[in-house]
Amino acid sequence: QQQVKQSPQSLIVQKGGISIINCAYENTAFDYFPWYQQFPGKGPALLIAIRPDVSEKKEGRFTISFNKSAKQFSLHIMDSQPGDSATYFCAAHFNKFYFGSGTKLNVKP
Amino acid sequence: NAGVTQTPKFQVLKTGQSMTLQCAQDMNHNSMYWYRQDPGMGLRLIYYSASEGTTDKGEVPNGYNVSRLNKREFSLRLESAAPSQTSVYFCASRGWGAEAFFGQGTRLTVV
Repeated sequence: QQQVKQSPQSLIVQKGGISIINCAYENTAFDYFPWYQQFPGKGPALLIAIRPDVSEKKEGRFTISFNKSAKQFSLHIMDSQPGDSATYFCAAHFNKFYFGSGTKLNVKP
Repeated sequence: NAGVTQTPKFQVLKTGQSMTLQCAQDMNHNSMYWYRQDPGMGLRLIYYSASEGTTDKGEVPNGYNVSRLNKREFSLRLESAAPSQTSVYFCASRGWGAEAFFGQGTRLTVV
């Protein structure tokens, strides 16, 4: 049973547009929700993270929105750039990390 | 500061061969993890070690063994490789700050 469900599987956005990736979870014991960015041939790297006592966190063009009652969280990339083209993973942590299945983002120039 | 270092980067094995994937971190982290990454399936946890001297199974431990040699090193062993173990393997470590740091990965092909 997948602990964290991520959608969409792939996403195409025009340069300057907004990219939105969604994740849902079931386990209310999760205490930390990071997003990772992965470029081809590289390991995942932390992009931004949030704890469940906060509803939103913004770092530059990247924002996490967190809805505790709905058990959902999402990543918003504002003013998307071709350099943002990568695979994005959401994750949830309780003793160990559980990852979503990933979203391949392609930002077209 | 190297972070998390994995060796080798690439490996081709024949079915039935054994090998050990090495991982070392220089951040004095307590927790270390081994994941495999397959297309469309994200990162699945194979084994993890919450601290030196302890190891626990993750989601997909069958066919693998691990050793937490010391605080720095966490190795993953395939005793008898199978084509189903063809994957990209990532080692990660985590300190008190909750962020997990990943290595560059080992691309393993079993023929």
